[in-house]
Amino acid sequence: KQEVTQIPAALSVPEGENLVLNCSFTDSAIYNLQWFRQDPGKGLTSLLLIQSSQREQTSGRLNASLDKSSGRSTLYIAASQPGDSATYLCAVRVSGSARQLTFGSGTQLTVLP
Amino acid sequence: DVKVTQSSRYLVKRTGEKVFLECVQDMDHENMFWYRQDPGLGLRLIYFSYDVKMKEKGDIPEGYSVSREKKERFSLILESASTNQTSMYLCASSLRSLAREHTEAFFGQGTRLTVV
Repeated sequence: KQEVTQIPAALSVPEGENLVLNCSFTDSAIYNLQWFRQDPGKGLTSLLLIQSSQREQTSGRLNASLDKSSGRSTLYIAASQPGDSATYLCAVRVSGSARQLTFGSGTQLTVLP
Repeated sequence: DVKVTQSSRYLVKRTGEKVFLECVQDMDHENMFWYRQDPGLGLRLIYFSYDVKMKEKGDIPEGYSVSREKKERFSLILESASTNQTSMYLCASSLRSLAREHTEAFFGQGTRLTVV
C-alpha cells in the first residue's frame, strides 16, 4: 500500500528565506505527483503537477522536483513571503489505482515578517 | 478557469438529520471524489465516481452514501448525521484521461460540517 510522508510537520522561517519542503513515497509506481496549498479552513489549491517522466516543474517562485526511483519529491520556495504561510500537501497518483490520489499529512509553513 | 463549487462553506446540523453536501464542477470531468479531512488523520477518501450513476467506496464509506445523476454534480449524503461526522468535507474532480500522467485533481473550497 502506498504511503506518503511529509517532514517536517511544521516549519517557521523569516521572510526572504529560500526553503525546501519534502515529500517521500513508498511505491515508485506512480503516474504523477501533485503539490497543493491549503489555507486555514479552506480547500486545496493545486500548485504544481509533475508527471512521472519529468524531473521538475516550475511556476513562479516555486520549483518542484521528482526522483521516482528514490521515492522523493521536494518543493522549493524562493524568497519566501508572509503570504506563503499555509499548509502544503503532496499527493501521488498511484498506477493502476482507480482511487487516484494518496496524500501526505502536510507541512504547515509560517513565514515571519 | 477551472472550478469546483461546494454548495456550503459552513453547515450546522443536528444528530440524526439527513444531510446533503453538493458539489458541482464545470470542467466536464468524469471523475469526482469526496474526502473528509480531520486533524492528525489527513485526507481520507469516502467515495468516488468515475461516471454518471457509477460509484466506488473509498476508505471510510460507513455512514455515507453518494449520488451522481449528472456528470457535473456529485452529492454526498449523511443518512443519519452523528457527532463523529463533524469534519471538513472536500470535493474534487479530475479528467479520466488515457494519458494518466497529465491527470490533475481540482478541489472545491470545502464544507465545514458541525453535527450537534
